[in-house]
Amino acid sequence: NAGVTQTPKFQVLKTGQSMTLQCAQDMNHEYMSWYRQDPGMGLRLIHYSVGAGITDQGEVPNGYNVSRSTTEDFPLRLLSAAPSQTSVYFCASSYSYPNTEAFFGQGTRLTVV
Amino acid sequence: SQQGEEDPQALSIQEGENATMNCSYKTSINNLQWYRQNSGRGLVHLILIRSNEREKHSGRLRVTLDTSKKSSSLLITASRAADTASYFCATDAYSSGSARQLTFGSGTQLTVLP
Repeated sequence: NAGVTQTPKFQVLKTGQSMTLQCAQDMNHEYMSWYRQDPGMGLRLIHYSVGAGITDQGEVPNGYNVSRSTTEDFPLRLLSAAPSQTSVYFCASSYSYPNTEAFFGQGTRLTVV
Repeated sequence: SQQGEEDPQALSIQEGENATMNCSYKTSINNLQWYRQNSGRGLVHLILIRSNEREKHSGRLRVTLDTSKKSSSLLITASRAADTASYFCATDAYSSGSARQLTFGSGTQLTVLP
């Protein structure tokens, strides 16, 4: 059972480039979310989804897009990368967000230069 | 804005000692969760305590919740070097707007010295 899988693990982008962070889960969870983790800031919610075709914004959505075409996948798109988006990104899924445990991927460390 | 704030930010203890971490939050919650994060890894769920519960145990972990003080504590007994990690509390509460969200604090870095 793979759980939550994120790719890539590391990425370096130039300012203005776009890219997609991939997230897939095999637990048939309806709820998926993206967080970013910055030093001293804890995790901040970017976007989340309560099921296929349904997404909503979190605390820090600007500069990011998401879509949810299947239950399994929840990609995060950076439209035009900025140095302020340098961070570690985590995808999470849960059976019944937010009142059950969340399962996290291993993270994607993104550097924007 | 962060709902939960952990205290202390960093804690260093000897193996075998108990470690206590605290979490304070600002608004009413539905539940509170504790997670552990080893260096360079994702978060792992430890325990969930609902707003109508006061104490919960899981192995060497003991979590308390005081909704009147809007605070929670995580106690790790008989600590081991493998407990070295960052520990985060996360609160399930309504955010600005109408959606319930899981909001994380900034964490306590625990170091257990052998």
